Amino acid sequence: ETGVTQSPTHLIKTRGQQVTLRCSSQSGHNTVSWYQQALGQGPQFIFQYYREEENGRGNFPPRFSGLQFPNYSSELNVNALELDDSALYLCASSPGASSYNEQFFGPGTRLTVL
Amino acid sequence: TQLLEQSPQFLSIQEGENLTVYCNSSSVFSSLQWYRQEPGEGPVLLVTVVTGGEVKKLKRLTFQFGDARKDSSLHITAAQPGDTGLYLCAGAAGGGSNYKLTFGKGTLLTVNP
Repeated sequence: ETGVTQSPTHLIKTRGQQVTLRCSSQSGHNTVSWYQQALGQGPQFIFQYYREEENGRGNFPPRFSGLQFPNYSSELNVNALELDDSALYLCASSPGASSYNEQFFGPGTRLTVL
Repeated sequence: TQLLEQSPQFLSIQEGENLTVYCNSSSVFSSLQWYRQEPGEGPVLLVTVVTGGEVKKLKRLTFQFGDARKDSSLHITAAQPGDTGLYLCAGAAGGGSNYKLTFGKGTLLTVNP
C-alpha cells in the first residue's frame, strides 16, 4: 500500500509568482486536506476536498485554490505569492471527510518565497 | 475562532525521566487527536480521544481527555531518545465543521541519552 506522496519536496519562488503543489492520496482514500505549517507553528487548515468537491475552507484568501481529480489526487495552487507564504505545505488523505477518520499526512513541500 | 494552547513549548529532559504535555482551550471539541512529527516528515497520529474523561494508553504514553472536552494531556513515562519530536494536539469542532482540525503550536521534546 503506497502512502501519501507530495511533490515537489522543495520549491523556491519570488514574490508575485504562482505555484502548484501536488499530492497523491493513499489508495482507497477519497478525501484530501491541505495544511500550511509555518516555522515553529502547528499546521493550519487551508481546505478539504471530498470526492472532487471543496468540502470546507479555513481562513485563507481566495488566491489559495485547489483541485481534486477523479483518482482523488489533489493540487494546491497559490497565486500572487507573498513572503509570508513561506512554509511547509502538508496534505493529508483520509477514507472520509469526517475528522473521525484518521488523516495520513505526506512529508510536505517546503516553499520558500524570496 | 477555536484555539488550542500547548505547554510547554520546548522541553529538554534526560533519558528515563517522566514528562507531561498539556493542551488547553476555552472551546469544546468533539474529539481530540495527538500527533508526533519528526523533522522532514508529516505528523503521524498517535491517538484519538472522544469521550470526556477518557484515558488511553499506548505503551509508555498515556493520553487523557478532560471531563469538559476542552483540554487534554500526554504523559510519557521513562522517556527514551526515540521519543524526541514535535508533539501536536489537534481538535475537531464537530457539527458542521467536523471536517476541520485545529492544531496547537506543538511541544518540541528532546530526550538526551
